[in-house]
Amino acid sequence: AQKITQTQPGMFVQEKEAVTLDCTYDTSDPSYGLFWYKQPSSGEMIFLIYQGSYDQQNATEGRYSLNFQKARKSANLVISASQLGDSAMYFCAMREGGSSNSNSGYALNFGKGTSLLVTP
Amino acid sequence: DSGVTQTPKHLITATGQRVTLRCSPRSGDLSVYWYQQSLDQGLQFLIQYYNGEERAKGNILERFSAQQFPDLHSELNLSSLELGDSALYFCASSVGSLPNQPQHFGDGTRLSIL
Repeated sequence: AQKITQTQPGMFVQEKEAVTLDCTYDTSDPSYGLFWYKQPSSGEMIFLIYQGSYDQQNATEGRYSLNFQKARKSANLVISASQLGDSAMYFCAMREGGSSNSNSGYALNFGKGTSLLVTP
Repeated sequence: DSGVTQTPKHLITATGQRVTLRCSPRSGDLSVYWYQQSLDQGLQFLIQYYNGEERAKGNILERFSAQQFPDLHSELNLSSLELGDSALYFCASSVGSLPNQPQHFGDGTRLSIL
């Protein structure tokens, strides 16, 4: 079963506007971490932001914030004041802790990604 | 710069051949992960090493193997290559294996099988 779902294959946003990229997850493990990565066309994977399942506050890192709604199992990425350089693929990923993860050693489960294009 | 170094950046070879991909983790990181990114499968976890020992296996084929050396660098060996093995192979590292520790990725090795 898909553990991470990103329902938006592609998104457009105008420069300087805010954009929300959706991510829902599926786990029965009470301990988990949620991550967002950016992959520009050059191919590298850049870590953006992390949210822990026990964190009370939503994570923020500069222009990136994570809208964490635990009951809904969603972890949407919000990019404020978009820039042309934000055009890239964005991946949501989850790392489970505890006994449910005994076979995968806390590896990341990735969604299929959202392609974001920022227009002038 | 993530601090994770992967070589080579590009590799072109033929079916049936064997290749070795190399990864140096960030200084201080003990865990190394290998991932494969392909158009049809997306990003898939292959295998993890922690301080020289295999910790977990994901969707890794029997034709593929890996190891982590005492200096913590890791190598992924791919043998009897098939066209479907063409993909971007990432190495990632983290300090340990806890859920709250982000994995930092190298720039990847793009493998093309002709």
